[in-house]
Amino acid sequence: QKEVEQNSGPLSVPEGAIASLNCTYSDRGSQSFFWYRQYSGKSPELIMSIYSNGDKEDGRFTAQLNKASQYVSLLIRDSQPSDSATYLCAVPRGYSGAGSYQLTFGKGTKLSVIP
Amino acid sequence: NAGVTQTPKFHILKIGQSMTLQCTQDMNHNYMYWYRQDPGMGLKLIYYSVGAGITDKGEVPNGYNVSRSTTEDFPLRLELAAPSQTSVYFCASRDTGMEAFFGQGTRLTVV
Repeated sequence: QKEVEQNSGPLSVPEGAIASLNCTYSDRGSQSFFWYRQYSGKSPELIMSIYSNGDKEDGRFTAQLNKASQYVSLLIRDSQPSDSATYLCAVPRGYSGAGSYQLTFGKGTKLSVIP
Repeated sequence: NAGVTQTPKFHILKIGQSMTLQCTQDMNHNYMYWYRQDPGMGLKLIYYSVGAGITDKGEVPNGYNVSRSTTEDFPLRLELAAPSQTSVYFCASRDTGMEAFFGQGTRLTVV
């Protein structure tokens, strides 16, 4: 199993629908999880971070974490054309006395929101 | 706030030449990273550093070298450039347990 896996895209949803993006990870010791959005030709920017099991909501975005299943997801409600981008899941791994140090990214899921 | 600054933004390199990609952060972060991103692909870790004087290899280190003499700077050196090193390079920094902040990227073409 790869360290961080995301469902293959592209994912197309109509405007106003819910987009669901999924990510699984292999390191059971991982404690923090991040979703990044990357527009074409731009650098990744943080959308959500989640550290505890359950849901975390921020505006139209909800991150869901299930450590037992090693699964983290991102829901985008009321999807807008401006949400069209590649979404990257990132999981720190590797540990030292200072905490986890490597930051591994999935391949990303390209989302297209159709007007 | 400057955050993470990468230079140059674009560069064309000839096969066999060498160059250094610069990365500076002003957030006093301990961890710094270099990634490369090929078209349609995710980010592949080249090298990372957990503090000044400490660096380690990531997933794709061959053909690259790094150094970390200060907390702020983490340059990436390409020796004997090859067409396979044509890519977009991102530098990032973070604190323990926290998210990473990215530079604007360097688009490198090796011809």
